[in-house]
Amino acid sequence: GENVEQHPSTLSVQEGDSAVIKCTYSDSASNYFPWYKQELGKGPQLIIDIRSNVGEKKDQRIAVTLNKTAKHFSLHITETQPEDSAVYFCAASIGLTGGGNKLTFGTGTQLKVEL
Amino acid sequence: KAGVTQTPRYLIKTRGQQVTLSCSPISGHRSVSWYQQTPGQGLQFLFEYFSETQRNKGNFPGRFSGRQFSNSRSEMNVSTLELGDSALYLCASSFSGTTNYGYTFGSGTRLTVV
Repeated sequence: GENVEQHPSTLSVQEGDSAVIKCTYSDSASNYFPWYKQELGKGPQLIIDIRSNVGEKKDQRIAVTLNKTAKHFSLHITETQPEDSAVYFCAASIGLTGGGNKLTFGTGTQLKVEL
Repeated sequence: KAGVTQTPRYLIKTRGQQVTLSCSPISGHRSVSWYQQTPGQGLQFLFEYFSETQRNKGNFPGRFSGRQFSNSRSEMNVSTLELGDSALYLCASSFSGTTNYGYTFGSGTRLTVV
């Protein structure tokens, strides 16, 4: 089955700096790659996603890049703010034989933005 | 637009008991997926329901089951609870459960088995 590896597990940056989180996936059939932010006591919140026919997508301070050949994708957060502190999860989605999709998640990155 | 609603937020149960968790998806969404989140195993797929049918299932024992009603609301049941079932149970709703539409998660139900 699909396996998603995520690095680093913890990341500490100064406010205003950039943060980069990287993920690799194993199944070349995966075609949808969302990123989720999870704050304490809450469920994961979708912050950006990218589909396999796109190499890069940007939404204000957040961008995601996808390299299908190398099977890796990355999350870039620029001008980090204290409210960006949270756990970030990458995921890869693969179509299933019964229809629908299943998300396979990375192990998460605890991002801390320090003042 | 209301988000995904999970009830209850917290549960404490004793080993051997059973528990039922509820998930109300976003209006119009027909796919509901369930995930288990633990510190050791991370987020793991339990199963997905679409139009009242279980469409896909993860690698969990038969003690974990679910169902979906005609209004797309879903319930998850765990029988004969074990200590290792303590986790945050999350449901995610999607319009169709395909990559054409994203998944929106609820806040989860925190289950503690003692």
